[in-house]
Amino acid sequence: DAGVIQSPRHEVTEMGQEVTLRCKPISGHDYLFWYRQTMMRGLELLIYFNNNVPIDDSGMPEDRFSAKMPNASFSTLKIQPSEPRDSAVYFCASSLGGTGNSPLHFGNGTRLTVT
Amino acid sequence: RKEVEQDPGPFNVPEGATVAFNCTYSNSASQSFFWYRQDCRKEPKLLMSVYSSGNEDGRFTAQLNRASQYISLLIRDSKLSDSATYLCVAVYGQNFVFGPGTRLSVLP
Repeated sequence: DAGVIQSPRHEVTEMGQEVTLRCKPISGHDYLFWYRQTMMRGLELLIYFNNNVPIDDSGMPEDRFSAKMPNASFSTLKIQPSEPRDSAVYFCASSLGGTGNSPLHFGNGTRLTVT
Repeated sequence: RKEVEQDPGPFNVPEGATVAFNCTYSNSASQSFFWYRQDCRKEPKLLMSVYSSGNEDGRFTAQLNRASQYISLLIRDSKLSDSATYLCVAVYGQNFVFGPGTRLSVLP
């Protein structure tokens, strides 16, 4: 079975550039999550969607970050303009929601470096 | 205070040892719990769910103490391949809150 698919695996960009991260959740999963992981702060929830609708975006750092889910099989996380402090590993995860008893399944992550 | 706390370690143990990790959570309304394992430069992967009555999966045993708001993971007969970071998760609604992780190194 195909798991959660993220692209690109690595992204190196210069400060000020726009960055777009992509995610394809597991087919049939109705929840999609974007997390960011750094050594200092660990895994932080940025935003999650249910049936393509954003439910909680309180973790999005600031207006430079935006996320969309135009359909059940695709989501993007965009950073514009990017800054060096955005350097982190960004994970997408999906789950078959409902009661919260269904675990998250993570993609391989995108390692972002902003110089 | 962080919502989910863990001892960051590292725990350095010899092969064959038994090792236990604890995790505390602050939201008493959390309704489900998990342990994830994360290898260096990889994504977190589900290790096991944690049930109220406690549960076992081979060499791994998970326990939940709701009254004291902590979760534990016991690894028996540790293998070199168990070396990783172990993350506990407390779930409220659909909000999966991860602890910072405990690093385990199993030494030959």
